[in-house]
Amino acid sequence: NAGVTQTPKFRVLKTGQSMTLLCAQDMNHEYMYWYRQDPGMGLRLIHYSVGEGTTAKGEVPDGYNVSRLKKQNFLLGLESAAPSQTSVYFCASSYTIAGEQFFGPGTRLTVL
Amino acid sequence: AQSVTQLDSQVPVFEEAPVELRCNYSSSVSVYLFWYVQYPNQGLQLLLKYLSGSTLVKGINGFEAEFNKSQTSFHLRKPSVHISDTAEYFCAVSESGVFGNEKLTFGTGTRLTIIP
Repeated sequence: NAGVTQTPKFRVLKTGQSMTLLCAQDMNHEYMYWYRQDPGMGLRLIHYSVGEGTTAKGEVPDGYNVSRLKKQNFLLGLESAAPSQTSVYFCASSYTIAGEQFFGPGTRLTVL
Repeated sequence: AQSVTQLDSQVPVFEEAPVELRCNYSSSVSVYLFWYVQYPNQGLQLLLKYLSGSTLVKGINGFEAEFNKSQTSFHLRKPSVHISDTAEYFCAVSESGVFGNEKLTFGTGTRLTIIP
């Protein structure tokens, strides 16, 4: 039982490049989330999903897109990376939307 | 919508001393409350949660928290800290049964540093 896994762990991009972060969970959770963590700002919700085939905007969605084609996977895309997107990205999943969330180990992204 | 305030961004404490990390929330309806811990270079893991019932909640690693509805607080306490408690601690709140507001809102975190 791996829980929540994230790929890759680290990435460096140049401004304007694109990339996709992959999140996978093996707990059969309906709900999945993408957060970014920046110093002094806690975790801010980017997008989330309430089930396979659904996505919704969170607090800071601009510049990101997501897809949930399979229940166990939640992809976060950056179409044209900007230095302001330098951050640590966490994926999480939960059984209920108001309940405990299980977090992945994070992806550290640097945009030059 | 709900919000969470963690007034202390950093808390230094001597080893074996007690500690209290403060968390206040704002909401007009019933809430669920959580404390998460993040060790260096790791993801977040749940310390404890309050959903309903007893206002004193016990969690892992000897931590406990008390839900105080009148003061809208959910402070985290430990009677004697260890070096291994060095981490960042996040308080989070969700509004139960309020469609659209059930998602967790996190505080900005408190960095706990244990001094040997």
